[in-house]
Amino acid sequence: KAGVTQTPRYLIKTRGQQVTLSCSPISGHRSVSWYQQTPGQGLQFLFEYFSETQRNKGNFPGRFSGRQFSNSRSEMNVSTLELGDSALYLCASTELGGGTYEQYFGPGTRLTVT
Amino acid sequence: GESVGLHLPTLSVQEGDNSIINCAYSNSASDYFIWYKQESGKGPQFIIDIRSNMDKRQGQRVTVLLNKTVKHLSLQIAATQPGDSAVYFCAEGSGYALNFGKGTSLLVTP
Repeated sequence: KAGVTQTPRYLIKTRGQQVTLSCSPISGHRSVSWYQQTPGQGLQFLFEYFSETQRNKGNFPGRFSGRQFSNSRSEMNVSTLELGDSALYLCASTELGGGTYEQYFGPGTRLTVT
Repeated sequence: GESVGLHLPTLSVQEGDNSIINCAYSNSASDYFIWYKQESGKGPQFIIDIRSNMDKRQGQRVTVLLNKTVKHLSLQIAATQPGDSAVYFCAEGSGYALNFGKGTSLLVTP
């Protein structure tokens, strides 16, 4: 099976703009989670989607949003970008019902806000 | 608030030695714990997990120990190899949300 894919891999945006990142989970995986990774804060949970519904949400402002489509693909959006939003954004998918909580991560999207 | 943290930010070991990476957690309600390895330019890669009702779990060259009394988790890597050089994260989970620690950088020297 193909792994988790994320597009784009690199992105440069200007403060105040908005950005949309895309994630395609492993085939058959219905749960998709998003994380933000920065040197200072490490890996922080953003939100998790299952069957097009957000089930869990981390402690991030409302500028961070996401959605999941019927084919389990997911997008996350960040509006009114701030310099502090520069980070590696990771998407992970999980096969539910497999008796494991193992999350498979994609390579991430490196977002730079200038 | 609840947190997951690592005792050491960096660890240097010689090739062939055993490595031990430690992690402290504070959420006693966590259902499971996972160790991830992240190499430069890549996303985290699953190493091994352990449920909260277990004390020890072994994989290939790796062992995870869970001490719920002191809320401590450790990852033991046997016969450490150069390819083991990476950043290692522990994560505690409840439901499908993972709370990651800051990470420990493991450097394997020849």
